[in-house]
Amino acid sequence: SQKIEQNSEALNIQEGKTATLTCNYTNYSPAYLQWYRQDPGRGPVFLLLIRENEKEKRKERLKVTFDTTLKQSLFHITASQPADSATYLCAWAGSSNTGKLIFGQGTTLQVKP
Amino acid sequence: GAGVSQTPSNKVTEKGKYVELRCDPISGHTALYWYRQSLGQGPEFLIYFQGTGAADDSGLPNDRFFAVRPEGSVSTLKIQRTERGDSAVYLCASSLGGVLESPLHFGNGTRLTVT
Repeated sequence: SQKIEQNSEALNIQEGKTATLTCNYTNYSPAYLQWYRQDPGRGPVFLLLIRENEKEKRKERLKVTFDTTLKQSLFHITASQPADSATYLCAWAGSSNTGKLIFGQGTTLQVKP
Repeated sequence: GAGVSQTPSNKVTEKGKYVELRCDPISGHTALYWYRQSLGQGPEFLIYFQGTGAADDSGLPNDRFFAVRPEGSVSTLKIQRTERGDSAVYLCASSLGGVLESPLHFGNGTRLTVT
């Protein structure tokens, strides 16, 4: 079965630095990967989507890369701010158009001022 | 505009009882999803509706779980004979179309505690 693996250890960085979060998938290449942000007590909020034929996607201070050889996506936040502190979730979608996104367990980012 | 609304926000029930969780999706969104999230884990897929019909219910853990969306808008997740292991946050999401191109818009969830 498909598994999505994210670093369960919290990532602590200093304000202004670039945060890099990792998402690995085990078996099947996704049609695309989605990244979500989740704050405590809230539902996930969509950030970015990257398709299987795309190498990189950017949105403001966010950048997602996708390497099908490594079966890995990297999520970068440049010029990080304390307000970026949250849990970031990676989600895998297969080729069939269903509602089944498979989520990783999330990585908690803490940006210190 | 209004987002996805879930009620109640918290529900405490005794083992063996029946519960209903309600989801009001974003107006005009044809697709509706239920996920379940345990502490420290990512959301786990339960069921997906396209319009009124359940297009994929492969994530429902057993026959104690059932969901309906009779008019293609509001959905209710129903859990019979609740067990302590059912305790989790139940998340609802909606989207404009199928999941391949449309991001999911989540509500803030219903926290279910079975005592």
